[in-house]
Amino acid sequence: EPEVTQTPSHQVTQMGQEVILRCVPISNHLYFYWYRQILGQKVEFLVSFYNNEISEKSEIFDDQFSVERPDGSNFTLKIRSTKLEDSAMYFCASRRQGSNTEAFFGQGTRLTVV
Amino acid sequence: GENVEQHPSTLSVQEGDSAVIKCTYSDSASNYFPWYKQELGKGPQLIIDIRSNVGEKKDQRIAVTLNKTAKHFSLHITETQPEDSAVYFCAATLNSGYALNFGKGTSLLVTP
Repeated sequence: EPEVTQTPSHQVTQMGQEVILRCVPISNHLYFYWYRQILGQKVEFLVSFYNNEISEKSEIFDDQFSVERPDGSNFTLKIRSTKLEDSAMYFCASRRQGSNTEAFFGQGTRLTVV
Repeated sequence: GENVEQHPSTLSVQEGDSAVIKCTYSDSASNYFPWYKQELGKGPQLIIDIRSNVGEKKDQRIAVTLNKTAKHFSLHITETQPEDSAVYFCAATLNSGYALNFGKGTSLLVTP
């Protein structure tokens, strides 16, 4: 069964450093998302990406965040200058063309900012 | 902002009993309502979804109901098993787009 894969599974970084979280969406999917989940809290939407541009973003997705699809398979989330409060699980999701189709989530990257 | 409220936050049932989790949403433009199961250390996994033109949907032991007028939707799990123990999240599409707004989750424990 096709799946969304994320790397690394766990990333520890020092405050102020830049991190890049990587995702490989399912191959025929066209919509890509990043969500985050702070420990013990709900999953929060960050950004959606379609046709090589951001289609929606939340208030959380400020100037320190950026997304990119550098090639035909990877979808990345960059945090330029990490803060302690960026510590969370980050989930990538993708879905195929069509309205209201299922979003498949990856296993997540646990980001710890120290 | 738009909100999805989910209750209860924790639910403990005996094996074989039914479990019901309820959600309400505020955005009238929401038209897709998935339910996700999240096991410890894993990503959310879709278990069932419902679209706004349908009132009820069933898949084996799992059913979802939707009341668009009242902006309520519920998850029903019958004949619960210990492996149903997990955190369950309801979600609704944000505005008229495709991003999801999640509820805070229900931690379900099924005891043998």
